[in-house]
Amino acid sequence: GDSVTQMEGPVTLSEEAFLTINCTYTATGYPSLFWYVQYPGEGLQLLLKATKADDKGSNKGFEATYRKETTSFHLEKGSVQVSDSAVYFCALSDRGGSYIPTFGRGTSLIVHP
Amino acid sequence: EAGVTQFPSHSVIEKGQTVTLRCDPISGHDNLYWYRRVMGKEIKFLLHFVKESKQDESGMPNNRFLAERTGGTYSTLKVQPAELEDSGVYFCASSQDVRPGAGRYYNEQFFGPGTRLTVL
Repeated sequence: GDSVTQMEGPVTLSEEAFLTINCTYTATGYPSLFWYVQYPGEGLQLLLKATKADDKGSNKGFEATYRKETTSFHLEKGSVQVSDSAVYFCALSDRGGSYIPTFGRGTSLIVHP
Repeated sequence: EAGVTQFPSHSVIEKGQTVTLRCDPISGHDNLYWYRRVMGKEIKFLLHFVKESKQDESGMPNNRFLAERTGGTYSTLKVQPAELEDSGVYFCASSQDVRPGAGRYYNEQFFGPGTRLTVL
């Protein structure tokens, strides 16, 4: 079945550092890919998405590019802020199916001032 | 506009007891989903309602879990009797109409903050 693998956390960075959170996937079809973020005390929010190969999703300074050849969707940000501290979930959704996301385990990001 | 709300935010119960979790979706959203995240693991799908009907309950772990959505508004998820392995965070999400077969259409789900359930 479909699955998503994320790098384990926590990832601890200083403010203004560069962020990469790796995500790879396995899917039988041609999925859409997503990054969700969960800030402390809040629900998951869709951060960005990409629906076809080579698409780049971007939002709030975060970017991720759909790489079909490497089955990856790594999340990047050039300069993190303390307010980016959260748990980040990579996910995929099978277009031909029920649109219910398959999630990774989540990666906790801690940004220090 | 109010988002998805869940109650309670935390629940601590003993093994063998019953717990009922509640989810209020965004007004007008026909689709309601339940998910669970066991500590440090993936968020797993439990079930999907369309209005008051169960569209997909393939993720429900066993018959100790009962979900209802009477009237197609709020939903409850009852665990009876609770076991230690039921501990985790239970998320609810809602979305507007899903149009299967409409090509690369993705219907965004809006998530609640979750209920953290601890079974001792």
